[in-house]
Amino acid sequence: DQQVKQNSPSLSVQEGRISILNCDYTNSMFDYFLWYKKYPAEGPTFLISISSIKDKNEDGRFTVFLNKSAKHLSLHIVPSQPGDSAVYFCAASGGLYNAGNMLTFGGGTRLMVKP
Amino acid sequence: ETGVTQSPTHLIKTRGQQVTLRCSSQSGHNTVSWYQQALGQGPQFIFQYYREEENGRGNFPPRFSGLQFPNYSSELNVNALELDDSALYLCASSRKAGVPNTQYFGPGTRLTVL
Repeated sequence: DQQVKQNSPSLSVQEGRISILNCDYTNSMFDYFLWYKKYPAEGPTFLISISSIKDKNEDGRFTVFLNKSAKHLSLHIVPSQPGDSAVYFCAASGGLYNAGNMLTFGGGTRLMVKP
Repeated sequence: ETGVTQSPTHLIKTRGQQVTLRCSSQSGHNTVSWYQQALGQGPQFIFQYYREEENGRGNFPPRFSGLQFPNYSSELNVNALELDDSALYLCASSRKAGVPNTQYFGPGTRLTVL
């Protein structure tokens, strides 16, 4: 049972345009959400996070939106740059039966930003 | 501030062998988590260590075991290796267990089991 899903395996965007990456979750006990970026042969790099008490968090070109009623979050990158090309993972934590801050990851979305 | 480091970078083992992977946490962090990332999938939680004790475990068999040392570094041991254990093993550190917190990942160890 996949508790965190990224339904788009890949996304292609033109440089300068907006990239929107989506993530859905099923466990209503999740209370903290994160986005990571991963280049080949490297570990995931933390991008941005959001707590369930908020519905939006911004950091420079990156904005994460959380819709708790829909159990959906999205990452917006504006403007997109070729260096943003990577695999993006959505992750969630929290819950009564969740030990500490264990992260549950989605399957990832490969973003390609074309010059 | 030094980041999370892992060793070795790559490892090739045969079925039935045992392997030990190592991780040094980011300075100031006292919690270490281990994840397995199979090809084309997201990382899956193996276990977490806090104050040298296991603080939670994912759906992995007992042949996956770990240790955390007083300096917060950690080891992941896998016994009786199987072909399906071939994956990228990621270590992540964070400041404190039990509260929402951001985990910072190392570069990973690529394990190939032949």
